[in-house]
Amino acid sequence: NAGVMQNPRHLVRRRGQEARLRCSPMKGHSHVYWYRQLPEEGLKFMVYLQKENIIDESGMPKERFSAEFPKEGPSILRIQQVVRGDSAAYFCASSPEQGAAGYGYTFGSGTRLTVV
Amino acid sequence: SQQGEEDPQALSIQEGENATMNCSYKTSINNLQWYRQNSGRGLVHLILIRSNEREKHSGRLRVTLDTSKKSSSLLITASRAADTASYFCATDPNTGNQFYFGTGTSLTVIP
Repeated sequence: NAGVMQNPRHLVRRRGQEARLRCSPMKGHSHVYWYRQLPEEGLKFMVYLQKENIIDESGMPKERFSAEFPKEGPSILRIQQVVRGDSAAYFCASSPEQGAAGYGYTFGSGTRLTVV
Repeated sequence: SQQGEEDPQALSIQEGENATMNCSYKTSINNLQWYRQNSGRGLVHLILIRSNEREKHSGRLRVTLDTSKKSSSLLITASRAADTASYFCATDPNTGNQFYFGTGTSLTVIP
């Protein structure tokens, strides 16, 4: 029973390129959350998705960032025209229901994005 | 900000000692969770305490919650070198879809 799978583990992009981060939730989980962690900081919420629906994107920057969770396949966090300030660890979490009530989140190991 | 705040930011203790970390938050919550993060890794869920609970135990972990003071504490008893990690509290507010994480306590257990 694999946990939350994120890939790649490490991603290096030059300024202006696109970064595409993937997250496969735990089996049976239909709720996916993306968080960003800047160095020496806690996790900041970005977006909450269910299959084919963005439920809450209040933490997403208005430009260059987008997320999807298609009917088939992993959830994708896409960052267009990356800048140095996008360098961070991006974590995906999944839960079997909204808010992870009573369960807690199951986190992936994260994707560490470095923009050079 | 609804974000939790952990205290202290960093803690260094000898193996075998107890470690206590505190978390304060600002809004009413459904539950509060504690997570551990080893350097360069993802977060591991440790324990969840609901707003109607005051204390919870799991192995060497003891969590307390005081909703009147909007604070929680995590106690790790008989610490081990393997407990070295960052510890985060996360609050689940009554509204919204997200959890709010604090900035974490960095714990170092010296063998």
